Amino acid sequence: AQTVTQSQPEMSVQEAETVTLSCTYDTSESDYYLFWYKQPPSRQMILVIRQEAYKQQNATENRFSVNFQKAAKSFSLKISDSQLGDAAMYFCAYRGGNQFYFGTGTSLTVIP
Amino acid sequence: DAGITQSPRHKVTETGTPVTLRCHQTENHRYMYWYRQDPGHGLRLIHYSYGVKDTDKGEVSDGYSVSRSKTEDFLLTLESATSSQTSVYFCAIRGTRTETGTDTQYFGPGTRLTVL
Repeated sequence: AQTVTQSQPEMSVQEAETVTLSCTYDTSESDYYLFWYKQPPSRQMILVIRQEAYKQQNATENRFSVNFQKAAKSFSLKISDSQLGDAAMYFCAYRGGNQFYFGTGTSLTVIP
Repeated sequence: DAGITQSPRHKVTETGTPVTLRCHQTENHRYMYWYRQDPGHGLRLIHYSYGVKDTDKGEVSDGYSVSRSKTEDFLLTLESATSSQTSVYFCAIRGTRTETGTDTQYFGPGTRLTVL
């Protein structure tokens, strides 16, 4: 079974600084997708960024970018120029076939 | 997400009573999912559907059943609720959004269920 591991239950960052959230996954498949979701206190799950495994280029979305290391099965999220609105729970997710698997989340605090 | 609604949004019930949660989508997506979210566990898949009357079990399906008689509705039923089923339940669809051009998962607002 696929597993997704987020080893940092909590992280903090100063406003305007950069922070990196870690994620590793385990799979025997070669074709899959990876995601980062943000869950603010409102509880709504919001897609942050998506990466296809067959693409070597790392995905970017404005201040959010990933470091995808396929051989190492690592998928970290970098948030640049952190803002107060970035404070949330962040979940890494893996999609193989029809199912999605989620990590246990990293709670990010942004310090003014 | 505006295209996915869940009802009720909050529910308190007693052990042993049946509970049905409803997920409704307006975008005609084929795949729909039910998850539960608990502290320290992230989101865990309960059941999912890949079409009308086509469903499959997820990681934590014991004690839950689902039904999908229409494309737009996916129901989750707890036949006899237990305190261990106290959780936040999320419905999700898998689809492609024109604004992102991606095939990914989008979530409803969640239902907080408390079983006393």
